[in-house]
Amino acid sequence: QVQLVESGGGVVQPGGSLRLSCAASGFTFSSYGMHWVRQAPGKGLEWVAFIRYDGSNKYYADSVKGRFTISRDNSKNTLYLQMNSLRAEDTAVYYCAKESCGGSCYSYDYWGQGTLVTVSS
Amino acid sequence: EIVLTQSPDFQSVTPKEKVTITCRASQSIGSSLHWYQQKPDQSPKLLIKYASQSFSGVPSRFSGSGSGTDFTLTINSLEAEDAATYYCHQSSSLPGTFGQGTKVEIK
Repeated sequence: QVQLVESGGGVVQPGGSLRLSCAASGFTFSSYGMHWVRQAPGKGLEWVAFIRYDGSNKYYADSVKGRFTISRDNSKNTLYLQMNSLRAEDTAVYYCAKESCGGSCYSYDYWGQGTLVTVSS
Repeated sequence: EIVLTQSPDFQSVTPKEKVTITCRASQSIGSSLHWYQQKPDQSPKLLIKYASQSFSGVPSRFSGSGSGTDFTLTINSLEAEDAATYYCHQSSSLPGTFGQGTKVEIK
């Protein structure tokens, strides 16, 4: 069965950095695009970033462009999100999500359990 | 950016009742509309993909319809375990966007 397990969340000061990881299993990781989606406490869902199955294309939400970097290591079945220059408004649960198709369809069928990032002094 | 507007924001429903949630897109998205269920302290789970295709393992009481700009999620004969927030999501173009959510409470 598909499993996505995020890690790396925690409390960080404004301006700080964190790297999130998402360990994937139960499917051929190197064949699927992956996304990061976040949810601020008590709020709705916001797409953050996408990476193509081979890492050749990456897209970001305007709110994180220039500060966050999505990457993947297909040999380790792991997705990453490097977050720099963190702001209070980046406080959220961060989910990794698997694309529902082998191409770039931008829809998700499985989500991880999420990891909480809190930006506070 | 495509804006998705769900209605209602909240619904209190008796078990076995029928629930209808609508999602309207700010421009045509074909059938690139998906529905997710999120229970408290859990991650979202896919119910319906591409407007009307049921995802594997989802109970048959959940169904979706629509195309273009207007979509509907229907829950026939609501069960207590269906208490959750429901989100629509469009994948027609990036940035992928979500509706604001509809919270369904069991009376």
